[in-house]
Amino acid sequence: DAGVIQSPRHEVTEMGQEVTLRCKPISGHDYLFWYRQTMMRGLELLIYFNNNVPIDDSGMPEDRFSAKMPNASFSTLKIQPSEPRDSAVYFCASGRTSGRNEQFFGPGTRLTVL
Amino acid sequence: GENVEQHPSTLSVQEGDSAVIKCTYSDSASNYFPWYKQELGKRPQLIIDIRSNVGEKKDQRIAVTLNKTAKHFSLHITETQPEDSAVYFCAASREQDSNYQLIWGAGTKLIIKP
Repeated sequence: DAGVIQSPRHEVTEMGQEVTLRCKPISGHDYLFWYRQTMMRGLELLIYFNNNVPIDDSGMPEDRFSAKMPNASFSTLKIQPSEPRDSAVYFCASGRTSGRNEQFFGPGTRLTVL
Repeated sequence: GENVEQHPSTLSVQEGDSAVIKCTYSDSASNYFPWYKQELGKRPQLIIDIRSNVGEKKDQRIAVTLNKTAKHFSLHITETQPEDSAVYFCAASREQDSNYQLIWGAGTKLIIKP
């Protein structure tokens, strides 16, 4: 059974460019979370979805960030325009309502904005 | 808002000794407390969790204790080994609200000295 899949694994871009991060949650999971991790700020929840509906986006830093979940098997996190301070590892995680309340993390996307 | 405080930020112990990491939560309605381990360059993974209806849970060399009155919970690792070196995150949530958002601690970097 494949785990959470994220792409790309590494992204290097220049300031001002649009960046799109992608996530495929584990099949059957109804929750999806986007996190950002940096040394300074630790692990931050940006937004999470339940059954493809955004539930809480209060962690999204500013209007440059947007996230969508068009169906149960795909989500995107977009940054437009990107800035150097957006450099971080972005994790997607999924979970399901029933059973153990565990979040399964993807391998992360390491974003570097020059 | 709700928050989780985690201490210490860094912990260095001799191989074979025990390690204890402590967390305090603010939301008295929290009833689910997981611990995640993140090895260098890897994704966070759940290692143990506890719910508010029990005071202690063990799994081989790791154990978690919960004091609901004081709103404290702790991770105990006995007979530490080199592979225990990692960053450990505690978290809290309210399962009864069907809210699977976790409030995360800042993390503890555990260093096992040979």
